[in-house]
Amino acid sequence: GAGVSQTPSNKVTEKGKYVELRCDPISGHTALYWYRQSLGQGPEFLIYFQGTGAADDSGLPNDRFFAVRPEGSVSTLKIQRTERGDSAVYLCASSSSGAGTQYFGPGTRLTVL
Amino acid sequence: QKEVEQDPGPLSVPEGAIVSLNCTYSNSAFQYFMWYRQYSRKGPELLMYTYSSGNKEDGRFTAQVDKSSKYISLFIRDSQPSDSATYLCAMSARGVWGGYQKVTFGTGTKLQVIP
Repeated sequence: GAGVSQTPSNKVTEKGKYVELRCDPISGHTALYWYRQSLGQGPEFLIYFQGTGAADDSGLPNDRFFAVRPEGSVSTLKIQRTERGDSAVYLCASSSSGAGTQYFGPGTRLTVL
Repeated sequence: QKEVEQDPGPLSVPEGAIVSLNCTYSNSAFQYFMWYRQYSRKGPELLMYTYSSGNKEDGRFTAQVDKSSKYISLFIRDSQPSDSATYLCAMSARGVWGGYQKVTFGTGTKLQVIP
């Protein structure tokens, strides 16, 4: 079975632009997570979905960041008015329940010029 | 001060050596402790997890948790070149949903095993 997939694998954008990052979780996984990993750091929690709803979005750094999961499967992380400090690898993970092992995708490497 | 502290290394050892990796933490609510391995340009992969103090062994890997000292360790026996990766400690507290969803990671220790 396929693991967590993320598209695009790399994204280069200019400061001020809008970007969307996509995550396809493992089929049947109800929980989905977004993390951000800056160079030389561990992943940092952003948001957790249980089904279609954001159960915990306490890690989103500011209101430029938003995520959706409209049908309880695929999720999109949206970043408005990108800044150079947003450059990082954005990781998505999924689990079979909110208490289960989190399986990570390969990440999307975002570079803001 | 970060909730989870981990020496970033790099740590370089000869093949066959015993490797010791460790983390300290400050949040006494953490109950679920994990070690992830991350290869370059890949997502983290869960190696081991434990819910309490004590030891847990899986093949060449042993995880230790000392909640009284807020200290966790990962030991790798008979290290192999294929073990060369970044090792991330991670931990979480029980959330309002009853699980351990919000995971806090250390910075990761980069390990190189030299043939």
